[in-house]
Amino acid sequence: EVQLLESGGDLVQPGGTLRLSCAAFGYTFSNYAMSWVRQAPGKGPEWVSGISDSGDNTFYADSVKGRFTISRDNSKNTLYLQMSSLRVEDTAVYYCAKVGERYRDYYYYMDVWGKGTTVTVSS
Amino acid sequence: DIQVTQSPSSLSASVGDRVTITCRASQSISSYLNWYQQKPGKAPKLLIYGSSSLQSGVPSRFSGSESGTDFTLTISSLQPEDFATYYCQQSYSTPITFGQGTRLENK
Repeated sequence: EVQLLESGGDLVQPGGTLRLSCAAFGYTFSNYAMSWVRQAPGKGPEWVSGISDSGDNTFYADSVKGRFTISRDNSKNTLYLQMSSLRVEDTAVYYCAKVGERYRDYYYYMDVWGKGTTVTVSS
Repeated sequence: DIQVTQSPSSLSASVGDRVTITCRASQSISSYLNWYQQKPGKAPKLLIYGSSSLQSGVPSRFSGSESGTDFTLTISSLQPEDFATYYCQQSYSTPITFGQGTRLENK
């Protein structure tokens, strides 16, 4: 069974840093682009960042550009999101998601999502 | 960025009703429009991709269609488990953008 399991969410002060992880199971991780999508309380999903299957190409929403860094370790079947200079408005549930077809761009449809990890930015 | 405008924002319906939800893209996106269902406390679940392709395991009462830049999700006969929030998402170009969502409530 294909599964994604996020971890690393926590309560952090404004200006702080956090690293999220997403462990992938049940498929060939290195063949699929991945994304992080977040959802603030009571709001719709917001795409945050995407990465190609090889990890060579990365993409960011304007709201996080320069503060967040996406990466992947295909030998460990794990996706990461390094978050710095965190703001109150970054408070959300963060989901990782895989694209639905091999070798496709990250912005293709997302067929499997993790359960999410909660990031709360507050003093 | 491509904008996707979803309507209505909320909808009241009864079990057995036929329900339609619409998304309009701000420019041509071919058939690169996907639909997700989300229940409280859960991750979004893919229903329809490529405008009209049914994701594996999704009941056939869900269907998608398109006309130009207008896309429609139809639930042919609403079931109790279908009360949820629905989102469209364009996958034509970066960045990924989602519609604002439609909350489907029990009348």
